[in-house]
Amino acid sequence: DTEVTQTPKHLVMGMTNKKSLKCEQHMGHRAMYWYKQKAKKPPELMFVYSYEKLSINESVPSRFSPECPNSSLLNLHLHALQPEDSALYLCASSQGVAPDFRETQYFGPGTRLLVL
Amino acid sequence: QQQVKQSPQSLIVQKGGIPIINCAYENTAFDYFPWYQQFPGKGPALLIAIRPDVSEKKEGRFTISFNKSAKQFSLHIMDSQPGDSATYFCAASMAGAQKLVFGQGTRLTINP
Repeated sequence: DTEVTQTPKHLVMGMTNKKSLKCEQHMGHRAMYWYKQKAKKPPELMFVYSYEKLSINESVPSRFSPECPNSSLLNLHLHALQPEDSALYLCASSQGVAPDFRETQYFGPGTRLLVL
Repeated sequence: QQQVKQSPQSLIVQKGGIPIINCAYENTAFDYFPWYQQFPGKGPALLIAIRPDVSEKKEGRFTISFNKSAKQFSLHIMDSQPGDSATYFCAASMAGAQKLVFGQGTRLTINP
């Protein structure tokens, strides 16, 4: 099973709302990633968790707050977003065998977020 | 130096043709080069990947050619089908970096 699941599939929120995106994998992977993808652009890395610890934050604004409750789950908490944050948010996972992270990253289907 | 340059941005090929997508990089520390395929409304999916110790790798109708001295690599799709219509991203990574550097993507259309 190489599936990464993400919920919800679609999300519409106002600029004052608080919402969360969820990601789950049951492949035993120890590295999990959040990406943001705008239309016709490649995915942009936001955060990397390695063994449930935040290892990379690509200077993401604090209105995005990641959380890794356990090795299978990854959340992205959203608060006071701007319309320009509207995008497809992708979660990915990989085996995460340090120090070699050049393994396959498996992507979920994404959450399409619209901020009004 | 962290960039991967991908061309063309879009490509239209007749069914059965061989679309070729090219990528170039500058950082010689990159040593893992995957290609991802993304259909509308879906996440990217790994298609095929290569390391610089080989010059070519085939998986089914998909072939990566790698030119280490030129720091270029390319994807060829043999006997292309309308179902291959998607956006293709090349990427590069290196040991310990924990991140993929993506090219800008190529929107491929295979006409019936």
